[in-house]
Amino acid sequence: DGGITQSPKYLFRKEGQNVTLSCEQNLNHDAMYWYRQDPGQGLRLIYYSQIVNDFQKGDIAEGYSVSREKKESFPLTVTSAQKNPTAFYLCASTTPGVNTEAFFGQGTRLTVV
Amino acid sequence: AQSVTQLGSHVSVSEGALVLLRCNYSSSVPPYLFWYVQYPNQGLQLLLKYTTGATLVKGINGFEAEFKKSETSFHLTKPSAHMSDAAEYFCAVTRYNNNDMRFGAGTRLTVKP
Repeated sequence: DGGITQSPKYLFRKEGQNVTLSCEQNLNHDAMYWYRQDPGQGLRLIYYSQIVNDFQKGDIAEGYSVSREKKESFPLTVTSAQKNPTAFYLCASTTPGVNTEAFFGQGTRLTVV
Repeated sequence: AQSVTQLGSHVSVSEGALVLLRCNYSSSVPPYLFWYVQYPNQGLQLLLKYTTGATLVKGINGFEAEFKKSETSFHLTKPSAHMSDAAEYFCAVTRYNNNDMRFGAGTRLTVKP
């Protein structure tokens, strides 16, 4: 089945450590996104990529980094510079054109301990 | 840039009652509008979308929404609430050939027996 796979589902990080969240899709979508979800704040855009080897900052990119070396993969690194990284992270991809729609992974819950 | 505002972070209805979740958008160009549903610790699932054509859009699970340009609204309704409708609902906006999808803060729907 086609879809988006995020791993791991739960992740614990010590303060000061970098951690990478995985996002893989087999939908053949060009565009991929990372959102952060906090209670009462909806989904806030961290980074997005419209094509391989290209990506743009979203509204809250500070403390995060991404890469897009393959169409299928869009990993997100939460660096030690992110002061409040505990959150639920969602990866998505979209179809282009008039029938555009976002498809989401199941999310990764990151907790700093 | 486009944005959406969801009125009411929490909505509570009785089983069998009308569900009305409000969404207003801001966009300088014709918007594409979406409603997504999220169950706890999961990703988002598309309920329905408006891109072009008929302004009354029907989605899954008996939900529908009407695009009203004069009111810049895209409210979500369901005639009769079911216990399984309890979830968080997100309104989202983008536009043609733009990969920057923006989400509202979400509305948590509670259904009382």
